[in-house]
Amino acid sequence: DVKVTQSSRYLVKRTGEKVFLECVQDMDHENMFWYRQDPGLGLRLIYFSYDVKMKEKGDIPEGYSVSREKKERFSLILESASTNQTSMYLCASRAWDRPNYGYTFGSGTRLTVV
Amino acid sequence: DQQVKQNSPSLSVQEGRISILNCDYTNSMFDYFLWYKKYPAEGPTFLISISSIKDKNEDGRFTVFLNKSAKHLSLHIVPSQPGDSAVYFCAASSSTGANNLFFGTGTRLTVIP
Repeated sequence: DVKVTQSSRYLVKRTGEKVFLECVQDMDHENMFWYRQDPGLGLRLIYFSYDVKMKEKGDIPEGYSVSREKKERFSLILESASTNQTSMYLCASRAWDRPNYGYTFGSGTRLTVV
Repeated sequence: DQQVKQNSPSLSVQEGRISILNCDYTNSMFDYFLWYKKYPAEGPTFLISISSIKDKNEDGRFTVFLNKSAKHLSLHIVPSQPGDSAVYFCAASSSTGANNLFFGTGTRLTVIP
């Protein structure tokens, strides 16, 4: 069964901490995405990557960075966590040549910044 | 600017009846539309999709209708079951662009036994 795995289901971090959210997919997908989900705002794209070492800003990149050193792994970094980054974070992947098959999502990481 | 909109944040339906979830979009370049279903503490899962060359796609109890002139699509679930209770996200993409998905804000469906 193909999977997108997010390393943590729940995280609690302190304001100002550097936070790493890890995502690994086993489908050999080229494209990977980070979203955050907030009530009333839906899924908003933070960053995406078309391939290894490539990254593109999404709609809300401020306060975040990403790293894609290997094809299967896409990391989201909160440089200095703030309380307004408390959210559900969702990673997704997609094969570049099958865009209409949509995304495969991980189970999400619920991050609380205190 | 929200390019995909779901104006109903919640919907309650009796078990066995029809559930109709609505979605509107503003970008006329969108040519592929998908519905995702999300349970609490899980990631969204793909439910059904439709290309802009069609106006209807059916998969079991789920049917998606597309009205291109109105820039509107809807998801019909018949008959509704308690296990359908979840948040439903509408999404759209354009093959002329990066093909990334734009998501709506979601509608929470509750099916009452």
